[in-house]
Amino acid sequence: GQQVMQIPQYQHVQEGEDFTTYCNSSTTLSNIQWYKQRPGGHPVFLIQLVKSGEVKKQKRLTFQFGEAKKNSSLHITATQTTDVGTYFCADGGSQGNLIFGKGTKLSVKP
Amino acid sequence: DAGVTQSPTHLIKTRGQQVTLRCSPKSGHDTVSWYQQALGQGPQFIFQYYEEEERQRGNFPDRFSGHQFPNYSSELNVNALLLGDSALYLCASSPGGRTEAFFGQGTRLTVV
Repeated sequence: GQQVMQIPQYQHVQEGEDFTTYCNSSTTLSNIQWYKQRPGGHPVFLIQLVKSGEVKKQKRLTFQFGEAKKNSSLHITATQTTDVGTYFCADGGSQGNLIFGKGTKLSVKP
Repeated sequence: DAGVTQSPTHLIKTRGQQVTLRCSPKSGHDTVSWYQQALGQGPQFIFQYYEEEERQRGNFPDRFSGHQFPNYSSELNVNALLLGDSALYLCASSPGGRTEAFFGQGTRLTVV
């Protein structure tokens, strides 16, 4: 079935360093969504990308959707301890049955 | 404006028992989806309810069933619990016609 692969599984960074997580699909995605889940918390919607080649920014976060709509990335500039958590990408499908990747767990050392 | 609320927060059940989890969607949202999240994994789609009917279903056995009420709230029922059903159960709501999901805090189910 449809799968969304996410790498890396874990990332440990020093505060102030940059961080990037990548999401790949074998099939074309109608849209890609990104969520953040803090330790012990629930997934929180960050953004949705729909268009081929789309780039969106939220403060220190930059989201990209590949030209072929089969991959996406989330880049965080100058990480802070508040960025700690697991970042998930999800295939948004056409009716909202989200297919999640396994996530990238980010830890930030102060 | 209350977000998505779920009850109970935690639950311990014995193998073979049945459980009902409840969810109230965010105000203005008419679509409710349920997800199962095992430790260290991403959420897995169970099913989605819209207009009181199951609109889509993921790869889960018939032991998992649900219901949506006229006020858009929803229940997830799991029969004949197995140890492997232990997980965080997340409810998510979406406004009509949109796919982004707003999650509740989840119900942590432990089957012993």
